[in-house]
Amino acid sequence: AAGVIQSPRHLIKEKRETATLKCYPIPRHDTVYWYQQGPGQDPQFLISFYEKMQSDKGSIPDRFSAQQFSDYHSELNMSSLELGDSALYFCASSIITELRGGYEQYFGPGTRLTVT
Amino acid sequence: DAKTTQPTSMDCAEGRAANLPCNHSTISGNEYVYWYRQIHSQGPQYIIHGLKNNETNEMASLIITEDRKSSTLILPHATLRDTAVYYCIVSVTGTASKLTFGTGTRLQVTL
Repeated sequence: AAGVIQSPRHLIKEKRETATLKCYPIPRHDTVYWYQQGPGQDPQFLISFYEKMQSDKGSIPDRFSAQQFSDYHSELNMSSLELGDSALYFCASSIITELRGGYEQYFGPGTRLTVT
Repeated sequence: DAKTTQPTSMDCAEGRAANLPCNHSTISGNEYVYWYRQIHSQGPQYIIHGLKNNETNEMASLIITEDRKSSTLILPHATLRDTAVYYCIVSVTGTASKLTFGTGTRLQVTL
C-alpha cells in the first residue's frame, strides 16, 4: 500500500540558511500534519492542514511556514535556521474513518535536519 | 486534550502477552483513546483506537474501562520487533485533530 512520502530524507544546512521539506500524503487523504522530534524528545505537533486550509497550529516558530497545495502535498519552509532546529520532522496524513469515527494518522519516515 | 499517564518502561518475554496500561482520568465524552508506537526514530505507527467499546485488530486489542478513565493495550504474542515506545494519546475527533505525544512507555521485548 502507498505510504506517506517525505523528501529529502536527510538535510544538512548551516545556521541562518533556509530549508524546505516536502510531504506527499497517501492518495485520497485530505489532511496533513507536521511534527518535530528533537533528539531524545517525543514528537511535537507543529501545524496541520485540511483541504488546503490551515486547521490547527502548535508550537511552530514564526520562522517556519507551511502550506498545502492543490494536489494535497505539503511543504514546510524554515528560514533563519538555528542549531536548535536540528530534529526529525515527520509528516502524517489522514482521512476520516467514516465507519467508526476517529482519524488514524499515517506517518512518513521523516526528514532528518541537521543545522551546523 | 486530556492528559495521559503511562509507565516509563516495561519488559516482556517474547511470545508472552504485553499489557500496557494508560491512565486518562480526565477524558471527556468526545475524546478517543489512540495508541501509536515508535520504533527507534522511525515514523510513529498507528496501532488502534477506540471511544468506549473494546477494540481488536490484527495488531492488538484495546480494553477501555467502563468509566473510560483508563485503558490497556494488549499485544497478544509479543515479538522482538515489538520493542518500541508506545504512546497512549487522547484526542478529540475533529477536523485535523492533532496528536499530543506524552513520554510513552518504552517496551523491551526479550528472549
